[in-house]
Amino acid sequence: GDSVTQMEGPVTLSEEAFLTINCTYTATGYPSLFWYVQYPGEGLQLLLKATKADDKGSNKGFEATYRKETTSFHLEKGSVQVSDSAVYFCALSDLGGNKLVFGAGTILRVKS
Amino acid sequence: KAGVTQTPRYLIKTRGQQVTLSCSPISGHRSVSWYQQTPGQGLQFLFEYFSETQRNKGNFPGRFSGRQFSNSRSEMNVSTLELGDSALYLCASRPTSGGNAEQFFGPGTRLTVL
Repeated sequence: GDSVTQMEGPVTLSEEAFLTINCTYTATGYPSLFWYVQYPGEGLQLLLKATKADDKGSNKGFEATYRKETTSFHLEKGSVQVSDSAVYFCALSDLGGNKLVFGAGTILRVKS
Repeated sequence: KAGVTQTPRYLIKTRGQQVTLSCSPISGHRSVSWYQQTPGQGLQFLFEYFSETQRNKGNFPGRFSGRQFSNSRSEMNVSTLELGDSALYLCASRPTSGGNAEQFFGPGTRLTVL
């Protein structure tokens, strides 16, 4: 079945450091790919998405490119802030868009 | 527009009891999905309702059930609670079922089973 694998955390960075969170997937066909963020005590918020190969999703300084050849969707940000501390989930939408399949989540801690 | 609301936010039950959680989707959204989030299993899809009909179901036992009302509000029920049912239950809504439409998540209901 479909699955998403993302790097284990926690990832601890200093403010203004470069961020990469790796995400790879296994799926039938070409799913849509998403990054969601969860702040403490809150639900999930969509951070960015890409619906086809080579698409780049971007939002709030975060970027991720849909790489079909490596089945990857790595999240990057050039300069993290303390306010970016949260849990980040990579996800795919199964064929037909019937449900989201999530990775295990990566905790990001940014220190000032 | 108001976001997805879930009630209650916190719930404590004992083993063997049953529980009902409620979700009110964003106005105009007709699809409601439920997910279970636990430290061990992560985020897992429970089911989706669209126009009062269950459209998709995840791999959960029959103790987990749901329904949707004509105003698109949804409830999920867990009967004969087990310790392992302790989790954050998230509800998500979107305008329609299927496709790539963004799912908007509520804050969740944290269920603790003692």
